[in-house]
Amino acid sequence: EPEVTQTPSHQVTQMGQEVILRCVPISNHLYFYWYRQILGQKVEFLVSFYNNEISEKSEIFDDQFSVERPDGSNFTLKIRSTKLEDSAMYFCASSAEDRVWEKLFFGSGTQLSVL
Amino acid sequence: SQQGEEDPQALSIQEGENATMNCSYKTSINNLQWYRQNSGRGLVHLILIRSNEREKHSGRLRVTLDTSKKSSSLLITASRAADTASYFCATPRSGYSTLTFGKGTMLLVSP
Repeated sequence: EPEVTQTPSHQVTQMGQEVILRCVPISNHLYFYWYRQILGQKVEFLVSFYNNEISEKSEIFDDQFSVERPDGSNFTLKIRSTKLEDSAMYFCASSAEDRVWEKLFFGSGTQLSVL
Repeated sequence: SQQGEEDPQALSIQEGENATMNCSYKTSINNLQWYRQNSGRGLVHLILIRSNEREKHSGRLRVTLDTSKKSSSLLITASRAADTASYFCATPRSGYSTLTFGKGTMLLVSP
């Protein structure tokens, strides 16, 4: 079965540093998402992306965050200046068609640790 | 804003028993989905139920939806140790279409 792949699986960075989390969505999918989960907490929506632009974003997704689809396969999340509270598991997801009715396919996540 | 909330937060049962998890939400929805998350892994879609459906089955899973009470339940019958995971309900964000998730129910099935 096709899957969403994320790299790296673990990322350790110093506070204030920039990080880029990478994702390869399922090839024929059109909608892409980033979610995050702080240990033991709920899975929080960050941003959705369609047709090369952000379609929705949450209050968490401030100016420190950006997303990009630099080529036909990769989808990246950049955090410009990391904070301690950005430590979380970041999940990329993709879906094929209409966002509301389609299930999401999630990657295995990148565990980001900000020291 | 947060939509779905699962209950209970944790559930511990023996293999062969049934497990029931509940989800309550706040605003009108057009569908509700359930996902499973094994420890340290991504979420996996289990089942989607539309607002005009009352019940849906998939293998050992049974999902119900009561739109008048704004609640849903997930029943896993004849549970197995491999069902040990966290289970999340997901609903569209109020006023938007992207899915939001609750805190989940952590299910432990002991052999």
